[in-house]
Order: sequence, then C-alpha cells, then structure tokens
Amino acid sequence: NAGVTQTPKFRVLKTGQSMTLLCAQDMNHEYMYWYRQDPGMGLRLIHYSVGEGTTAKGEVPDGYNVSRLKKQNFLLGLESAAPSQTSVYFCASSSTGRLGNQPQHFGDGTRLSIL
Amino acid sequence: AQSVSQHNHHVILSEAASLELGCNYSYGGTVNLFWYVQYPGQHLQLLLKYFSGDPLVKGIKGFEAEFIKSKFSFNLRKPSVQWSDTAEYFCAVTSYNFNKFYFGSGTKLNVKP
Repeated sequence: NAGVTQTPKFRVLKTGQSMTLLCAQDMNHEYMYWYRQDPGMGLRLIHYSVGEGTTAKGEVPDGYNVSRLKKQNFLLGLESAAPSQTSVYFCASSSTGRLGNQPQHFGDGTRLSIL
Repeated sequence: AQSVSQHNHHVILSEAASLELGCNYSYGGTVNLFWYVQYPGQHLQLLLKYFSGDPLVKGIKGFEAEFIKSKFSFNLRKPSVQWSDTAEYFCAVTSYNFNKFYFGSGTKLNVKP
C-alpha cells in the first residue's frame, strides 16, 4: 500500500547542476502535481498533469520542467539548479469523481538544498 | 487566480483549550474544500473535506469544519486540543471549473502540555 512515493528523500546539489525528482503513484490517479513548500509560503504549485502525456504550468514554473510519460509517474527536472530552488518538494496525486476533484494524496517530500 | 487566506499564521494554545482556525477563499462558484494537517517532518494528510450537503463536516481526530457559503469561509474547529495536535494546518479549495488546488499559507498550531 505505497500510495505516493518520492525519490530521493534528500539531495544536495551545487549551483548549475541538474537533477530529476521522481514521483510514482499506485492508485491509478489521473492527476498529479508538484509543489514546493517554503517557510511561511504554504504550498506553491510548480507544474501539474491531468493525464498521461499532458502537463501544465502552475504558479511557479520557472526553472523547472516536468514529464508524464506514464500515468503512474511524474518527473520534475531542474536543468540548472539555483540556490532559490532550495526547498522541500512534494508530489501529490488525485482523481476526479462525480462531485469533482477528490482529495490529494501526498508523498513524503524531497528536501533539496542548492549550494 | 484564486486565493485562499488563512489569517492566523501562528496559534499557541494550552491543552484542553478550544480551537478555531480561519479559512476564506475567493472563488464564487461551486467549491470542494479541504483541511490538511502536516505534523513536523511529515507530509500533508487529509483531516476533512466538504463536497456538498451538510455544511458542518466532521473529520478525523475530533476536528470539524463549517462551510458558510455567504462568507466564503471554511473554518476548522476542535473543542479541546491535545499536545499531539501540534502541527501545521492547511486549508485548500478546488472546483469542477479548474484542475488545480489552491492552498492557504498555513497556520502553525503549538499546543502546550
């Protein structure tokens, strides 16, 4: 009963390095989301996807790219990491139902530090 | 873009005190509303949700929330808090008309034993 799994859990990068965060869900959810959480700012949506092969920009998309090649996976890429991208990143997934968007299920987060 | 406001950023209570956390949203259409809790070092977990029907919804751990459409509010309440309720609480809203969820900035609750 894994739910939403994020890898890695922690990572330290140097400015300019690239990396990919992986999110996998086993609930057959259509929608997947990437957020970043910074102190006092709540959750800010980076990118999201409403289905396999589709992605859309959220509130703070600059500096990030995403891909949803398989329904169960949603990848978040940092092409050239910057210190401003130091944050905790959460992935979430949800489904839709008769009454609209169902609650999101969250992963445990990835703590990313950019030096 | 829609907005969700949580007016209390940091609340400190003693055990057994009553709790009410405010949440207001801006969207005028039909909404689905949620409260999530985040314990220190953990991910967000669903406390309760409102989709339709009775505007007073009950969630886990003795929490409840009241949807007041005329005030665009969805305040979270608990009659008697415990030390284990120390956490950050987030209000969120979504709708049929948009695929995203909008979160408030969160309220940190500190319960003193």
